[in-house]
Amino acid sequence: RKEVEQDPGPFNVPEGATVAFNCTYSNSASQSFFWYRQDCRKEPKLLMSVYSSGNEDGRFTAQLNRASQYISLLIRDSKLSDSATYLCVVILPLTGGGNKLTFGTGTQLKVEL
Amino acid sequence: EAQVTQNPRYLITVTGKKLTVTCSQNMNHEYMSWYRQDPGLGLRQIYYSMNVEVTDKGDVPEGYKVSRKEKRNFPLILESPSPNQTSLYFCASSPRQGPSYNEQFFGPGTRLTVL
Repeated sequence: RKEVEQDPGPFNVPEGATVAFNCTYSNSASQSFFWYRQDCRKEPKLLMSVYSSGNEDGRFTAQLNRASQYISLLIRDSKLSDSATYLCVVILPLTGGGNKLTFGTGTQLKVEL
Repeated sequence: EAQVTQNPRYLITVTGKKLTVTCSQNMNHEYMSWYRQDPGLGLRQIYYSMNVEVTDKGDVPEGYKVSRKEKRNFPLILESPSPNQTSLYFCASSPRQGPSYNEQFFGPGTRLTVL
């Protein structure tokens, strides 16, 4: 089983739609979680952290389900400018100190008129 | 402006010709790392460094070397590049404390083609 798994998509949705992505992780000791956004051929940029209680930033909501080992990202009222690839990142503390970061392969979103 | 810079941005080379991709950050971050990104495989970590003179292997270190002699610089060295190292490479840095702890700040990427 992969350490971090995402549905690659693409998710093609009309403008204004609500869309949700999931990301599952295999190691229950993972402690921190993030969503990044990557535009075509550009560097990934932090979209939001994912907190245990769930968190919202405008149209974006992130949630963590530790029991089922997945994180989710919900985008409401999709805009054309939301078209991008969304990467989940899972961070596992290492015994010697430091952290291991594992990226999902990304889910591609295309928002259409 | 706070940033991570990489050079070169694009490089076409031939098998076996040693090359170095430079990475520099001006945010005084302790943690730096290199990733390669390939279609269907996502971002995979090559090497990382938790501080000056401290480096460690990531998931795909074979064929690469790094050094961390100064806090701001973390060059990636390919001693004898091969075609399977054709990829998009990203350098990233991160603070080890504070509100941005664990947030990866990425450079713009280096597209490498090895013929």
